[in-house]
Amino acid sequence: DAKTTQPPSMDCAEGRAANLPCNHSTISGNEYVYWYRQIHSQGPQYIIHGLKNNETNEMASLIITEDRKSSTLILPHATLRDTAVYYCIVRVTPSGNTPLVFGKGTRLSVIA
Amino acid sequence: EPEVTQTPSHQVTQMGQEVILRCVPISNHLYFYWYRQILGQKVEFLVSFYNNEISEKSEIFDDQFSVERPDGSNFTLKIRSTKLEDSAMYFCASSEIKLGTRTEAFFGQGTRLTVV
Repeated sequence: DAKTTQPPSMDCAEGRAANLPCNHSTISGNEYVYWYRQIHSQGPQYIIHGLKNNETNEMASLIITEDRKSSTLILPHATLRDTAVYYCIVRVTPSGNTPLVFGKGTRLSVIA
Repeated sequence: EPEVTQTPSHQVTQMGQEVILRCVPISNHLYFYWYRQILGQKVEFLVSFYNNEISEKSEIFDDQFSVERPDGSNFTLKIRSTKLEDSAMYFCASSEIKLGTRTEAFFGQGTRLTVV
């Protein structure tokens, strides 16, 4: 079972920042936080991952709380094409033999 | 940008028939995966494959399923005797190894399998 809790759905106005929360209160010290998204039944798309420091790439920013029990994915300027289901996943370090375990995710609707 | 490609995009098969789903992972990737998603449900892990053998598999991946890397580019999932409940989207994914660790997985666009 997924070890994360996410709101089932969120709305965001186009051009505004989308902040997607994730709770992972039982995260272990060697587990990373990964974010993927799935646009309308296409294959899941990797967004970003982190361990304890905040991370940023061309798609998004990941803010992890100091106690690592929660995190927030930030899409700085949401567009209609960002409408998707966003999955927050915790897993052991990349060298560990654990697959991605997808939960139900958050359905983000970006509204014009 | 390199991508994982899957064929066919849609496969219809009769119950009890064998089906083979095909995937071409990203060329320098060494870990390969199959996931499935029944309509309206979660994405579920089936199996991972590395160095020509299965490295992990889920309870879903029973004796009806098998995987193979028949040549240097293809990665296949075979379902020996399909059941109605095998109807789903099947996603192939691959990841590379950097500095001795697996990186993030990249997914294909999926094959929609319909068993009638």
